[in-house]
Amino acid sequence: EPEVTQTPSHQVTQMGQEVILRCVPISNHLYFYWYRQILGQKVEFLVSFYNNEISEKSEIFDDQFSVERPDGSNFTLKIRSTKLEDSAMYFCASRLTGASSGELFFGEGSRLTVL
Amino acid sequence: SQQGEEDPQALSIQEGENATMNCSYKTSINNLQWYRQNSGRGLVHLILIRSNEREKHSGRLRVTLDTSKKSSSLLITASRAADTASYFCATDPSGSARQLTFGSGTQLTVLP
Repeated sequence: EPEVTQTPSHQVTQMGQEVILRCVPISNHLYFYWYRQILGQKVEFLVSFYNNEISEKSEIFDDQFSVERPDGSNFTLKIRSTKLEDSAMYFCASRLTGASSGELFFGEGSRLTVL
Repeated sequence: SQQGEEDPQALSIQEGENATMNCSYKTSINNLQWYRQNSGRGLVHLILIRSNEREKHSGRLRVTLDTSKKSSSLLITASRAADTASYFCATDPSGSARQLTFGSGTQLTVLP
């Protein structure tokens, strides 16, 4: 069964460092998402991406964050200068269609720990 | 505004019993979805119910939606220890698929 894959599964970084989280969405999916979940808290929407551009972003997704689909298969989330409060599990998701009948398929997540 | 608040926050039952989780939301929706998350893992889609539907079944899952009360419930019948997980509702206000808004989840523990 096709799945969304994410790397790395866990990354530890120093405050102020840049981090890139990678995702390979399901190959025929058209919509891509990043969510994050701080330990013990709810899953929060960060950004959605369609047709090589951001379609929507939340207040969390400030200038420190960026997304890219560099090669038609990978979908990356970059945090330019990490802060302690960026420590969280980051989930990538993809969706086949924009219609309301579509479900999101999530990866297993990348745990980011900022020291 | 907050969407998709589940209750209870935690639920502990014996294997074989039914588990009911509730979700309330504040704005109008196009559809509502339920997801499951095992500890430390990704979310898995369980079921989607559209705003013009009142009830939906999938295996041991039964979902209801009351748009007048802005609430939904997820019933898991004949629960198993393997059902132990967190369950989240997620609302799609516009149906545009641009984002889902997740609730804070119900932690279900099924005791063998």
